[in-house]
Amino acid sequence: ETGVTQTPRHLVMGMTNKKSLKCEQHLGHNAMYWYKQSAKKPLELMFVYSLEERVENNSVPSRFSPECPNSSHLFLHLHTLQPEDSALYLCASSRTDRPNYGYTFGSGTRLTVV
Amino acid sequence: GENVEQHPSTLSVQEGDSAVIKCTYSDSASNYFPWYKQELGKRPQLIIDIRSNVGEKKDQRIAVTLNKTAKHFSLHITETQPEDSAVYFCAASITGRNNFNKFYFGSGTKLNVKP
Repeated sequence: ETGVTQTPRHLVMGMTNKKSLKCEQHLGHNAMYWYKQSAKKPLELMFVYSLEERVENNSVPSRFSPECPNSSHLFLHLHTLQPEDSALYLCASSRTDRPNYGYTFGSGTRLTVV
Repeated sequence: GENVEQHPSTLSVQEGDSAVIKCTYSDSASNYFPWYKQELGKRPQLIIDIRSNVGEKKDQRIAVTLNKTAKHFSLHITETQPEDSAVYFCAASITGRNNFNKFYFGSGTKLNVKP
């Protein structure tokens, strides 16, 4: 276990459902990230929270809503998704006092929108 | 913004041979270049990285080279083994305000090492 935990591991939801993805880290990191991984596409940065402030929002549709209540927890709230939103959603974390170091990734949530 | 291109998209080698994966980037402000390995159904894991003030770094069978002038960097795996089979991602990073790392990833290389 690398210290970044994502739940659930798998999620199937209808287009009218509301669900949330959860990410938790106990590494003492203070920057957290949501990435989307689709087949045959690069990992796409969605949101960045640094020191609990949202500092990046990469033109993500409003049907994705992030929340970062503290430096250890990150959520991605989902509503009225589309089938093309089916993907692996990865959470990652890092330390802002060590900017040129790699992320630690979670195992991801495999989301299927039906 | 930054654009990272990665080649090849698939690479098949015989066990014991070397494998080379190449990436180019566009933004000269990028200052950190990690490489991640992702096995099927698992999380990406950092295997090696290089910072912009270094030209080459080696860790056992894995090495990375960086050419800042040409804006390209490469991953070299020697004496490949079947357990090296995975998807490899390169990334270029720009440090944002508040010192978060904004990674731009390549599209990945699926490496298959045949026994």
